[in-house]
Amino acid sequence: TQLLEQSPQFLSIQEGENLTVYCNSSSVFSSLQWYRQEPGEGPVLLVTVVTGGEVKKLKRLTFQFGDARKDSSLHITAAQPGDTGLYLCGRSGGYQKVTFGTGTKLQVIP
Amino acid sequence: EAGVAQSPRYKIIEKRQSVAFWCNPISGHATLYWYQQILGQGPKLLIQFQNNGVVDDSQLPKDRFSAERLKGVDSTLKIQPAKLEDSAVYLCASSFFVGQETQYFGPGTRLLVL
Repeated sequence: TQLLEQSPQFLSIQEGENLTVYCNSSSVFSSLQWYRQEPGEGPVLLVTVVTGGEVKKLKRLTFQFGDARKDSSLHITAAQPGDTGLYLCGRSGGYQKVTFGTGTKLQVIP
Repeated sequence: EAGVAQSPRYKIIEKRQSVAFWCNPISGHATLYWYQQILGQGPKLLIQFQNNGVVDDSQLPKDRFSAERLKGVDSTLKIQPAKLEDSAVYLCASSFFVGQETQYFGPGTRLLVL
């Protein structure tokens, strides 16, 4: 099992602030995904990154895959209360073992 | 397009009792997953089906957990007997085929074992 470590574990910020969360592994991934899970719901896929060094943007969210494909980051600009949730990185699908990270719980205070 | 359906949404039982969860994946999705998510942690895969066959059940505690997908559509996950540490959210997800990266999750069943 490829262990995925996420940091920080918890983050509480004021509306309008910027933040970055990280996902790290000792192993190389062919691809990596980011999910957001709101309370009482299942995770929802935000993005999949495949190429080392790849950067993808989704409105105020910027996702980066490390050059060595062992780490990834998610940066949120001008956070809003609607961004509150549990952010999970993971590799899923295919015949490879499905693995999720430990998660970062984000709270954005109005 | 209807999403992944799960029932019940909540269940409270006493230890040593049995419980069963049901999942109906998105129509046409061949791959179905069951995850266990303990409070404060990421989901852990319990079992993965491709149609009605098991692809991966290496993390399923087979002495007490069982799952089936007899007709390759909906699925049930059973715990017998339940332990206190089984308290968690049980998530079902589906994807169109094995190798497709996008999984669609249901809302989960919240189990509390007293």
